[in-house]
Amino acid sequence: KNQVEQSPQSLIILEGKNCTLQCNYTVSPFSNLRWYKQDTGRGPVSLTIMTFSENTKSNGRYTATLDADTKQSSLHITASQLSDSASYICVVIPQRAGANNLFFGTGTRLTVIP
Amino acid sequence: DVKVTQSSRYLVKRTGEKVFLECVQDMDHENMFWYRQDPGLGLRLIYFSYDVKMKEKGDIPEGYSVSREKKERFSLILESASTNQTSMYLCASSAYKGLTYEQYFGPGTRLTVT
Repeated sequence: KNQVEQSPQSLIILEGKNCTLQCNYTVSPFSNLRWYKQDTGRGPVSLTIMTFSENTKSNGRYTATLDADTKQSSLHITASQLSDSASYICVVIPQRAGANNLFFGTGTRLTVIP
Repeated sequence: DVKVTQSSRYLVKRTGEKVFLECVQDMDHENMFWYRQDPGLGLRLIYFSYDVKMKEKGDIPEGYSVSREKKERFSLILESASTNQTSMYLCASSAYKGLTYEQYFGPGTRLTVT
């Protein structure tokens, strides 16, 4: 079973609307959680990094929240733009992890339509 | 800004051919990675290198080998390409920053094996 589950798998929204993407994980204990944005045909780019003690982190119109008790994170996108169309990947890093110990979700594919 | 570059964006090869994928990073990072990314499966680690000439197998090393002769360069080799190796290949490098490793991805190589 994947230790990082993302939902929904895909999402279509109208330009200007808000949306929320979910990430549930079982990795424990964990050190930090990251959200990446991956444009079609490109490599992932980091949006936010949160340690286990942080509840929220913003990057422009992107706001990530973390509930370490329920092991859930969400990425909220405000006033969506066409350029937000991409896959969003949640990554969880365990405590005392080596550089290669990353747990990847399978991503949410977001499409913003005019 | 960290730059991770990959030698090809798109590559088409025939079954049985030997394939080289090259990755170069310009930030003097010790750690470098090769992942493949398939729909519904997310990113899976093929090989990881933590120093020149050092390598470790990831989750799916079968059918692949790697070479790290210089710190900035990490090559992925498909000795005899097969159709099930058609995929998106992502290179990454990382360095310890603050309390965790920060990972940076290249733009990816879309490999098709016919």
